Amino acid sequence: DTAVSQTPKYLVTQMGNDKSIKCEQNLGHDTMYWYKQDSKKFLKIMFSYNNKELIINETVPNRFSPKSPDKAHLNLHINSLELGDSAVYFCASSPSGGATYEQYFGPGTRLTVT
Amino acid sequence: KQEVTQIPAALSVPEGENLVLNCSFTDSAIYNLQWFRQDPGKGLTSLLLIQSSQREQTSGRLNASLDKSSGRSTLYIAASQPGDSATYLCAVETSGSRLTFGEGTQLTVNP
Repeated sequence: DTAVSQTPKYLVTQMGNDKSIKCEQNLGHDTMYWYKQDSKKFLKIMFSYNNKELIINETVPNRFSPKSPDKAHLNLHINSLELGDSAVYFCASSPSGGATYEQYFGPGTRLTVT
Repeated sequence: KQEVTQIPAALSVPEGENLVLNCSFTDSAIYNLQWFRQDPGKGLTSLLLIQSSQREQTSGRLNASLDKSSGRSTLYIAASQPGDSATYLCAVETSGSRLTFGEGTQLTVNP
């Protein structure tokens, strides 16, 4: 199936731990994104990469570090997890930056920090 | 700073009714506007994308309009069905491929 996939789907961990969320797209897209959906269901962009280069970096704590080993993958590593990091994290991709293209979203990773 | 507002926050209608969801944005300098659907516990599914130069887009029972100058978009759903029940999100794209989302309208279509 052509899609944006994320692993894991659920992640429960304790404060202070370091965790990673993986994202892969097999759509041949050049641009990938990470979004955070908080408890109020509000979606907000965190990062965007185009051809492995960072193009958007919103005001996100530097405990969050995206890594793009190739243009089909954009992983999110989170250090020293805090309670406030609990949210659903969505990965997305689009053929390119710009007005023409839709963004396609993955199924989300629900992160719970205890 | 771009802000996107969706009204109403929740809507409940009987099956078969036509309905309109509203989206407004504060900065008209957008590249496009996208409507998404989110089912509980699931990801987002793109429904329609309207370029900034377009006025509307149609897909099946869905019709989305865009009035960029007034900062408004509507999503019209004809002959609603229980399967249309979901949260509908509006998002505008500004420079740098940045999508700004509204908080969504939770739609319930009752059989």
